[in-house]
Amino acid sequence: RKEVEQDPGPFNVPEGATVAFNCTYSNSASQSFFWYRQDCRKEPKLLMSVYSSGNEDGRFTAQLNRASQYISLLIRDSKLSDSATYLCVVNPPLVFGKGTRLSVIA
Amino acid sequence: GAVVSQHPSWVICKSGTSVKIECRSLDFQATTMFWYRQFPKQSLMLMATSNEGSKATYEQGVEKDKFLINHASLTLSTLTVTSAHPEDSSFYICSAFSGTQGGETQYFGPGTRLLVL
Repeated sequence: RKEVEQDPGPFNVPEGATVAFNCTYSNSASQSFFWYRQDCRKEPKLLMSVYSSGNEDGRFTAQLNRASQYISLLIRDSKLSDSATYLCVVNPPLVFGKGTRLSVIA
Repeated sequence: GAVVSQHPSWVICKSGTSVKIECRSLDFQATTMFWYRQFPKQSLMLMATSNEGSKATYEQGVEKDKFLINHASLTLSTLTVTSAHPEDSSFYICSAFSGTQGGETQYFGPGTRLLVL
């Protein structure tokens, strides 16, 4: 099993839609989890950390399921500007998923 | 949030030359920095962990004699791609953690795009 797995997509959704991504990880000792957003030809930028109790930031909700070893990212009311690749990151060990590509269509 | 800078942002060089990339933490000290490489449509691959004042730790499959890392101060790490070849063409990104223990966040530099002709 790969250390961190994500569905590469692309997820093509209309504006206003709700979309969810999952990311599974294999190391049960991992303690920190993050979602990063990466635009084409740019560096990743932190979107949000993922806490055990789940956390929400505006239209974005992140959740952690330790029992099943996955994290999720929910985006509500998708905007065109949400189009990007979303990377999940797990630490330790520090591993990046390959990313899920989202394309929001007008 | 914390700021990490990289220089240069892009470089084109001839095969066989060496290229040095700088990574700086601008408003915090970083005893550890990370160097990644990203090929088109691929995820970031950790190349090495740069440790201030000591040798870097390289990931499996990364040649330490080809990718020289120097972390001379708490705010600067450099990656030198020696005798670069076309297959070394990639997007090189550095990062550093900032924040209190247990609550650190990883910040990335803007990346350096290397093209070896």
